[in-house]
Amino acid sequence: EIVLTQSPGTLSLSPGERATLSCRASRLFDSRYLAWYQQKSGRAPRLLIYGTSTRATGIPDRFSGSGSGTDFTLTISRLEPEDFAVYYCQQYGSSEYSFGQGTKLEVK
Amino acid sequence: QVQLVQSGAEVKQPGSSVKVSCKSSGDTFTNYAFSWVRQAPGQGLEWMGGIIPVFDSASYAHRLEDRVTITTDRSTTTVYMELRSLTSTDTALYYCAAEVGNDFNHPFDYWGQGTLVSVSS
Repeated sequence: EIVLTQSPGTLSLSPGERATLSCRASRLFDSRYLAWYQQKSGRAPRLLIYGTSTRATGIPDRFSGSGSGTDFTLTISRLEPEDFAVYYCQQYGSSEYSFGQGTKLEVK
Repeated sequence: QVQLVQSGAEVKQPGSSVKVSCKSSGDTFTNYAFSWVRQAPGQGLEWMGGIIPVFDSASYAHRLEDRVTITTDRSTTTVYMELRSLTSTDTALYYCAAEVGNDFNHPFDYWGQGTLVSVSS
């Protein structure tokens, strides 16, 4: 199983600031199979990014993804009030999918 | 695109089993693979397993594979997840999710609304 470790656990920022969220894998895997999801309280997760850097349909361009090998990053260029939520990375390239433990993005 | 509607909340006793359903509509059932993802209260997401309806081929998380079975009914375009030998640690919100493609290795574009399973004596 590929274990994904996200950091930080909680990120406190203000609207308009830049957010950088990290996801590190326990071993190398193909970056085509790395996704990011946003989850708001009481809601199902929403796909933001897949294939490390491709935005899903309808996702604003302030969201971007990068990385390769074992280190991946989700960047939100300028935080909007609706961006404060929990973010998960996921690998879907092995026979057993896995998620990171999540990063909570909260208002400072 | 596909819509996923799950069955209602369940309350179960320890040691029993639960079977949760996920009805798919809006697109051809066999164009998708389906997974189950659970989320314990205040915790993160855990992938439990998935199935490819066109091949009736399932794959499971190693830590759950002796207790979980995922099946489909193509006639009703419904996916099922059965979890056996329940304990309190199985209390969670259970989501079904769909990936576009009749194989694995795609992201989850679509999600159900979630089904709360509570395990308590």
